[in-house]
Amino acid sequence: AQKITQTQPGMFVQEKEAVTLDCTYDTSDQSYGLFWYKQPSSGEMIFLIYQGSYDEQNATEGRYSLNFQKARKSANLVISASQLGDSAMYFCAMRAWNTGFQKLVFGTGTRLLVSP
Amino acid sequence: DADVTQTPRNRITKTGKRIMLECSQTKGHDRMYWYRQDPGLGLRLIYYSFDVKDINKGEISDGYSVSRQAQAKFSLSLESAIPNQTALYFCATSMTGRNTEAFFGQGTRLTVV
Repeated sequence: AQKITQTQPGMFVQEKEAVTLDCTYDTSDQSYGLFWYKQPSSGEMIFLIYQGSYDEQNATEGRYSLNFQKARKSANLVISASQLGDSAMYFCAMRAWNTGFQKLVFGTGTRLLVSP
Repeated sequence: DADVTQTPRNRITKTGKRIMLECSQTKGHDRMYWYRQDPGLGLRLIYYSFDVKDINKGEISDGYSVSRQAQAKFSLSLESAIPNQTALYFCATSMTGRNTEAFFGQGTRLTVV
C-alpha cells in the first residue's frame, strides 16, 4: 500500500525567508511520482511541482524546489523568498505506477502562514 | 469556462436523502477521480475511473457510488446521506502517465443536516 505522511500541521515563516515543508512516503513500487499542490483559502487546488522516482535531479519550478531523498523516502518542498500569497495549505501526493494501481494519494497537508 | 466543472458548488441536504454531485471536463482526459476533504485528514480518494468501462473503489467508498456516463462526465452519488458525509468534495482529472498532474474542479461543499 502507498502512504504519504506530512507531519507538520502548521508552519510559520516570515516574508522573504525560505521554508521547508516535509513529506515522507511509503511504497514498495520502484516507479512512482511525487506531486505538491497548494490550496489557498479560496479552496482551489493548484499544482506546483512534480518529481519522478527515476529523475536524477531535484525538480525546480520558480521559487519552488523539491528536495528528493530517495533512500530516505522523503520529498520535501522548499519555498524560497516566501511571499504573503504563499499562505495556504500544501499537500504532498504520490502516484505509484505498479503496486499502487496508479492512484493519486494525498497526505493530510501542512498549513503555511507567511507573516510580514 | 473552467476545464473541470463541478455542480452544485454548495448543497445542504437532509439525512437519508439521495444526492448526486456531477463533474464534467473539457480536457479530454481519460482518468477521473472523486476525493473528499476533511480538516486534518487531507484528501481521501473515494472512487477513480481510468476510462468509461473502468471504475475502481478508493480508500473510503462505503456509502458512495459513481457513474461514468461518458469520458467527460463522472458523477458521485450518496445513496442515503448521513451527517458524517459533510465535507468538501473534489473531482479531478488527469491524462494517462506517471508524471501527469491532476487538474481539480472548484469543489462542492456538501452539508448533511
